[in-house]
Amino acid sequence: DTEVTQTPKHLVMGMTNKKSLKCEQHMGHRAMYWYKQKAKKPPELMFVYSYEKLSINESVPSRFSPECPNSSLLNLHLHALQPEDSALYLCASSQDYGTGELFFGEGSRLTVL
Amino acid sequence: AQRVTQPEKLLSVFKGAPVELKCNYSYSGSPELFWYVQYSRQRLQLLLRHISRESIKGFTADLNKGETSFHLKKPFAQEEDSAMYYCALRDNTGGFKTIFGAGTRLFVKA
Repeated sequence: DTEVTQTPKHLVMGMTNKKSLKCEQHMGHRAMYWYKQKAKKPPELMFVYSYEKLSINESVPSRFSPECPNSSLLNLHLHALQPEDSALYLCASSQDYGTGELFFGEGSRLTVL
Repeated sequence: AQRVTQPEKLLSVFKGAPVELKCNYSYSGSPELFWYVQYSRQRLQLLLRHISRESIKGFTADLNKGETSFHLKKPFAQEEDSAMYYCALRDNTGGFKTIFGAGTRLFVKA
């Protein structure tokens, strides 16, 4: 299995809702990432996990809460989001942090009403 | 600060014409450069990286440290090359973050 799988593909939520985005890979990669991509913009790094530990938080607001339950899974918990948080959220993985290429999922398109 | 610049938002060429997508970077150390591509309705994927020096789908890119450039080239564009292309840089001296340029949409006309 050489894919990064993200669920759900689409999510619509209100500003008071709590939801989660999920990401899974079975390539044995030890680094996993969350990127945010607004329309017609490049991906922007949010979080990096290396060996299941949070290595980088790019000053992301606390309404986004990442979690790495094990080496294959990465979650992004969402709470009290704002309409401007609507975007495509991309998960990626790499062999190790700082080496190799990034393997991306198809993304979860989030709309906050 | 590290930066990746892709000066063209859109590049339109005819099938069979040469194509060059420009990428310039600013970086104080020894960078690792990549080109990622996103075809319509597909995920973002690696096209090539400078350290492998490969030619993928007829595309090549040479790292020019003097000009701080990593332009992507193909001698004869094909319609299936139409896609969004992102130049990316990995900071290998601290943080190991991958930073993306704004992207260039390539449209190859029949």
